[in-house]
Amino acid sequence: AQSVSQHNHHVILSEAASLELGCNYSYGGTVNLFWYVQYPGQHLQLLLKYFSGDPLVKGIKGFEAEFIKSKFSFNLRKPSVQWSDTAEYFCAVINLSGNTPLVFGKGTRLSVIA
Amino acid sequence: DAGVIQSPRHEVTEMGQEVTLRCKPISGHDYLFWYRQTMMRGLELLIYFNNNVPIDDSGMPEDRFSAKMPNASFSTLKIQPSEPRDSAVYFCASRKTHAGDSSGELFFGEGSRLTVL
Repeated sequence: AQSVSQHNHHVILSEAASLELGCNYSYGGTVNLFWYVQYPGQHLQLLLKYFSGDPLVKGIKGFEAEFIKSKFSFNLRKPSVQWSDTAEYFCAVINLSGNTPLVFGKGTRLSVIA
Repeated sequence: DAGVIQSPRHEVTEMGQEVTLRCKPISGHDYLFWYRQTMMRGLELLIYFNNNVPIDDSGMPEDRFSAKMPNASFSTLKIQPSEPRDSAVYFCASRKTHAGDSSGELFFGEGSRLTVL
């Protein structure tokens, strides 16, 4: 079965530090990949997505992610985090061979301190 | 577009009471999902529908939980009787069948925060 692994449960960074959150998935077929963000007390919102083409995807608020097919990875990055980036981040994968649900990772909580 | 609409936003009830959560998906979306989120278990998929038909309910925790989708614009998640361990935020989400750039993207509602005393 498809699975998504997010390696870090909780990451604490100072403002202006660089961020990289790991995400690996298990499915070997054609997939679409997503990162969602959930700010405190809010619902999940799409941060960025990869369907095809350039494996380096740019999203909102300065976030980007790189799809490395050989490593089954889709890591999220941001060069300089802000206090307002404090949130939980979820990686998700969908298998394109059928209309199946998005599979989510367990999430990584990011705390940015001043 | 109004987005996915859930009600109530907050519900506090006593153990043993029936709870009904409601969801209106985005118009034109043919998939609807119910998720539960807790600190302990994270985000769990409970059940999902395609064209109003339940496709997979294997995530529903037990018989106290039931979900219906009587038409394309409305779904309910019912807990009867409720227990304190059901306390969580319940999210509804919808999407279209894979097509073009929106392939697989899920749109979430604001969630219903349930507290069972």
